Amino acid sequence: DVKVTQSSRYLVKRTGEKVFLECVQDMDHENMFWYRQDPGLGLRLIYFSYDVKMKEKGDIPEGYSVSREKKERFSLILESASTNQTSMYLCASSRRGAGVAKNIQYFGAGTRLSVL
Amino acid sequence: SQQGEEDPQALSIQEGENATMNCSYKTSINNLQWYRQNSGRGLVHLILIRSNEREKHSGRLRVTLDTSKKSSSLLITASRAADTASYFCATDGYGNKLVFGAGTILRVKS
Repeated sequence: DVKVTQSSRYLVKRTGEKVFLECVQDMDHENMFWYRQDPGLGLRLIYFSYDVKMKEKGDIPEGYSVSREKKERFSLILESASTNQTSMYLCASSRRGAGVAKNIQYFGAGTRLSVL
Repeated sequence: SQQGEEDPQALSIQEGENATMNCSYKTSINNLQWYRQNSGRGLVHLILIRSNEREKHSGRLRVTLDTSKKSSSLLITASRAADTASYFCATDGYGNKLVFGAGTILRVKS
């Protein structure tokens, strides 16, 4: 079974702090994604990565950055946390290549971040 | 950008009844997926239907796809309390990205 592990389930940070959210997958997937989920808005893509050291902006990248130094690990960084970044953050991974299997994403359990 | 729009936003039914959720999307797709999310957890893939398929079954799940209307429906038959969750449709976007709708909250009362 694919396993996507997010380092924290709950996190409380202060405004202005630098925050690191870590995600690790064990299925050798090339693609990794960070989403944020807010009530009524569904999932919004922050950043994604197709390969090590590769990253592309999603729909809402402002205030965030990412790092992918190893294939299995994708980190989301809040450079200076703000209260409007209080949200549920979800990491996902998927296989690259031809066929529909590449579209199936496997998710971690999520990190609920509160910025005070 | 959100492509899939689920309907209804929330649904409450009795155990044993069928639950139907709908999804509409805006642009052409290669495939459409449905995911489930239990409260406070990540999403779990349920089923994928390709654009050239009209109907697909998996256990108690039945998915239909009408590409002419750009819509899909998810039917859960003989629902159980354990089916209580949020359900999302997702369409394939650029590259390997998915575009998710806002979801339908299903509550199954025992």
